[in-house]
Amino acid sequence: QSALTQPASVSGSLGQTITISCTGTSGDVGGYNLVSWYQKFPGKAPRLIIYEVIKRPPSVSDRFSGSRSGNAAFLTVSGLQPEDEADYYCCSYVGRSMEVFGGGTTLTVL
Amino acid sequence: EQLGQSGAEVKKPGASVRVSCKASGYNFTDFDIHWVRQVPGQGLEWMGWMNPKSGNTAYAQKFRGRVTMTSDTFITTSYLEVSSLRPDDAGVYFCTRGVLTENYEINWFGPWGQGTLVTVSS
Repeated sequence: QSALTQPASVSGSLGQTITISCTGTSGDVGGYNLVSWYQKFPGKAPRLIIYEVIKRPPSVSDRFSGSRSGNAAFLTVSGLQPEDEADYYCCSYVGRSMEVFGGGTTLTVL
Repeated sequence: EQLGQSGAEVKKPGASVRVSCKASGYNFTDFDIHWVRQVPGQGLEWMGWMNPKSGNTAYAQKFRGRVTMTSDTFITTSYLEVSSLRPDDAGVYFCTRGVLTENYEINWFGPWGQGTLVTVSS
């Protein structure tokens, strides 16, 4: 199972909106409503920010939102804040009790 | 709900390493434990899971034959063993609890352990 494709880096200015893409196939991202996104700071464990493509855990800011179109999922971060600067990973169920992560995207807040 | 992992390890190429992951604050046998690693300069990589109640496992194809996941329900601890270590196995290994859908598909992961650094060097 190949890793999902994410851009290596994305940047945006304070207060702006950015979107990170996560491209897979009909066998993963496009085939299941089971795409999740994780925020990760260096030296820390990942943190769930989006699950089931569009759902957000109660503790996560509503500035984070998820969507999907075909075989691509998207994470949108609105009103960029300095604390959003982190690595972001998408993850998808691929069937047969297997999972795959994306390569990760580094978000820089200018 | 917490997962606490064992400390850093330094191993020689060809050796094996075992990392432990102790669960607390929830019913250990109700959830699978998954293992995810991050090697330097790369992203997260899903390795596989095991069910503490049944002992069932599933490993990513890349790791089959070299990885073993086990658990001890009496001490609510899961283990990851990686054998025939190579220098490119060096990195941080995380355990995490897997949450399933009602159809037993993997949904999301959380909480996570703090990570265990594994160094492979001669």
